[in-house]
Amino acid sequence: KAGVTQTPRYLIKTRGQQVTLSCSPISGHRSVSWYQQTPGQGLQFLFEYFSETQRNKGNFPGRFSGRQFSNSRSEMNVSTLELGDSALYLCASTDSVGQTQETQYFGPGTRLLVL
Amino acid sequence: AQTVTQSQPEMSVQEAETVTLSCTYDTSESDYYLFWYKQPPSRQMILVIRQEAYKQQNATENRFSVNFQKAAKSFSLKISDSQLGDAAMYFCAPPNRFIMTGTYKYIFGTGTRLKVLA
Repeated sequence: KAGVTQTPRYLIKTRGQQVTLSCSPISGHRSVSWYQQTPGQGLQFLFEYFSETQRNKGNFPGRFSGRQFSNSRSEMNVSTLELGDSALYLCASTDSVGQTQETQYFGPGTRLLVL
Repeated sequence: AQTVTQSQPEMSVQEAETVTLSCTYDTSESDYYLFWYKQPPSRQMILVIRQEAYKQQNATENRFSVNFQKAAKSFSLKISDSQLGDAAMYFCAPPNRFIMTGTYKYIFGTGTRLKVLA
């Protein structure tokens, strides 16, 4: 099976702009989680989508949003970009259907730089 | 709140030698999984090994093995016969349950940077 793919791989934006990142999970996986990784804060959970619904959410402002499509592909949107949003954004997929702790498989990440 | 501690920010090991990376965590769960991921310079997070807490036997995956002490909430990773390709950041990741949904997210430690010396 193909792994998790993320596009674009690199992105440069300016403050105030918005950005949309895309993640395609492993075929058959219905859960997609998003993480933000920065040198200062480490790896932090943003949110998880399962069957087109946001199932869990981390502690990020409302500027961070996402959605999931019927084919399980997910997009993450950040509006009104701030310098502090510069980070590596990772998505991970799992075939978790409920309360099991399945292994997460990560994509290569999208590196976002906000100027 | 769930916490995870990786007390070694950086470690070095000679090629072909053995190194152990430590991880301690806190959880109120009784049955859970624990994971070690590695992140090489390419930044791709790669699963190294998974341990099921209800199993007495420590997980092993080729040159990688864990020393899991459930009572002490300790989950160390041992890398035998270290290779240059093992150089990476290593993250310990216990799960944390969302109360509302009963599902899980993963809490990642701050990571240990492993350098492999030729």
